[in-house]
Amino acid sequence: KAGVTQTPRYLIKTRGQQVTLSCSPISGHRSVSWYQQTPGQGLQFLFEYFSETQRNKGNFPGRFSGRQFSNSRSEMNVSTLELGDSALYLCASSAQDAGADTQYFGPGTRLTVL
Amino acid sequence: ILNVEQSPQSLHVQEGDSTNFTCSFPSSNFYALHWYRWETAKSPEALFVMTLNGDEKKKGRISATLNTKEGYSYLYIKGSQPEDSATYLCASPRGGGNKLTFGTGTQLKVEL
Repeated sequence: KAGVTQTPRYLIKTRGQQVTLSCSPISGHRSVSWYQQTPGQGLQFLFEYFSETQRNKGNFPGRFSGRQFSNSRSEMNVSTLELGDSALYLCASSAQDAGADTQYFGPGTRLTVL
Repeated sequence: ILNVEQSPQSLHVQEGDSTNFTCSFPSSNFYALHWYRWETAKSPEALFVMTLNGDEKKKGRISATLNTKEGYSYLYIKGSQPEDSATYLCASPRGGGNKLTFGTGTQLKVEL
């Protein structure tokens, strides 16, 4: 079974631009969660989508948004990029949205904002 | 305790040593505790999901225990090998669904 894939793997943008990251979950998984990893903050939860509905949202500004499609693929969008948005963005998929379900992580997208 | 906390922050051991580290989490409204291993340049790899007080899980040389009443979990590695070098993260779902709150991790380095 193929794992979670994320595209692109690396991205360089400049301040003020916007960016869209993509995540394809494991086949059959309906939940996709997004996390931001920075050296100072560790892994921080951004949001979770389950069956195309946002189920949870972390403490991030409205510039961070996402969506999920009917095939469970998810996209995350960051508008008006700031230097502090430079981070590794990970997505994780699981079969259900119960907190005791194993989440399988993708390799991440490394975003650098100049 | 209000957040998920891990200790120590980092650990250097010799090959063959056994080691353990701690994850502390809020004991109120406990639902589950996840352990992950994250090697450099790879994806975090799920090790265990633990839900029951007193639970003990094992995967090869790695095992974990859970105490939900006092809010802690231990991860043990028996006979550490260089390939065990990684950051070990624990996480607890807080706020419903799959919203995981992660600890800052224990960085383990196993030296020859």
